[in-house]
Order: sequence, then structure tokens, then C-alpha cells
Amino acid sequence: NAGVTQTPKFRILKIGQSMTLQCTQDMNHNYMYWYRQDPGMGLKLIYYSVGAGITDKGEVPNGYNVSRSTTEDFPLRLELAAPSQTSVYFCASSQTGSTEAFFGQGTRLTVV
Amino acid sequence: AQSVTQLDSQVPVFEEAPVELRCNYSSSVSVYLFWYVQYPNQGLQLLLKYLSGSTLVESINGFEAEFNKSQTSFHLRKPSVHISDTAEYFCAVVSGGSYIPTFGRGTSLIVHP
Repeated sequence: NAGVTQTPKFRILKIGQSMTLQCTQDMNHNYMYWYRQDPGMGLKLIYYSVGAGITDKGEVPNGYNVSRSTTEDFPLRLELAAPSQTSVYFCASSQTGSTEAFFGQGTRLTVV
Repeated sequence: AQSVTQLDSQVPVFEEAPVELRCNYSSSVSVYLFWYVQYPNQGLQLLLKYLSGSTLVESINGFEAEFNKSQTSFHLRKPSVHISDTAEYFCAVVSGGSYIPTFGRGTSLIVHP
């Protein structure tokens, strides 16, 4: 079982560039989330979705955008990358909000 | 609003010693509580969860946690740790109203031989 798949695993961006972090899950989960992880800060919620066509902002949405056109895919778009976006990004999914979340392996992004 | 506090950022311990990782939460409604573990360069994976019923929950690798509603705590314990338990541990809460997991800052468990 693939579970939650994130691509790419690593990326270096220059300031001002844009990119899309891909996330796909094959468990038919309704809920999907994007978190960023910074040392000592835990996981901060960027955006989440409760189903196809429905997205909402989390705690730290500035500088990011998402879409959810299908149940499986939940890409995260970075526009005009800034050094403050250097982080490890995790995509996760769950059947409902009260069940366990399944995480991808993460994308380590460096903005220089 | 829901929040999670993990009181220790790092817990060093010797192999075969007991350990407790502390977690307190705040929420005004009913909650679901989780502990996740993260090994180096990997994503998080579920260790154990409390949804309802018995307040003491156990994992397959010897960890246990107890839901204490009066103290709003969900501390993680293991009576005897192994080197392989070295990892980052995250406590998470989901309130009945929000259905979005909120994570603590994590506790780094370091097991020394």
C-alpha cells in the first residue's frame, strides 16, 4: 500500500521562484492536511481540506495556496519563495478528523 | 480553541530505564488524543490513540498512555526503553468541534547505552 506519497523529497529554490509540492493518497480519505515542521516548533497547519472542492486556511497560510480537485490529490503551491519558507513540509490524510492521520515522508525545502 | 503543551523538549535516559513524556491539552469540548513517533528523516506514524472507553491505552511496542480528564493530560510512559526508541514524539489533540489535529512541539527521546 502506498498510503500518502509526497514529491519531491528535496528541493532547493531561489528567492522569488515558485513551485508545487505534490501530495497523493490512495486510501480514499476525506480529510487532507499540509503541515510545516521547523526545529523545536512542532507541526504548524498551513491548509486543510475536508473533501474535494473544499479547502480552508490553517495557522500559517501566508505565501501558500492549495487546491483539491480530486479526493486523491492535494498539491501545495508556493509563490515567490522566501527564506522563511525553508522547512520540512508534510502532507497527511485521515478518514475523518477524529481518526488517525497518515503522513507522507516529507519534502525538505531550502530557499536561498 | 484547542492546544497542546509538551513540557519537555528533550528527555535523555539510559537503556532499560523507565520514561515518561508529558503532554497536557486544552479544549472546551470532548477530545481525541494521539501520540505519534517520528524517526529521523521520516514522516510521523501513529503510536497510540485515545478515542473513548478505557482511559489507559497501549501500543504494540510497550508504550502506554493514560487519559486524565481532570488534569487534561495524556502522558506517555514505557517501563523499560530500548536504544531503538530514540526518536521524536508528538502529542496531538482533535476536538470534537474542529476535527483538525493540533500538535505539540515534540519531545526528543534520547536513549543512551
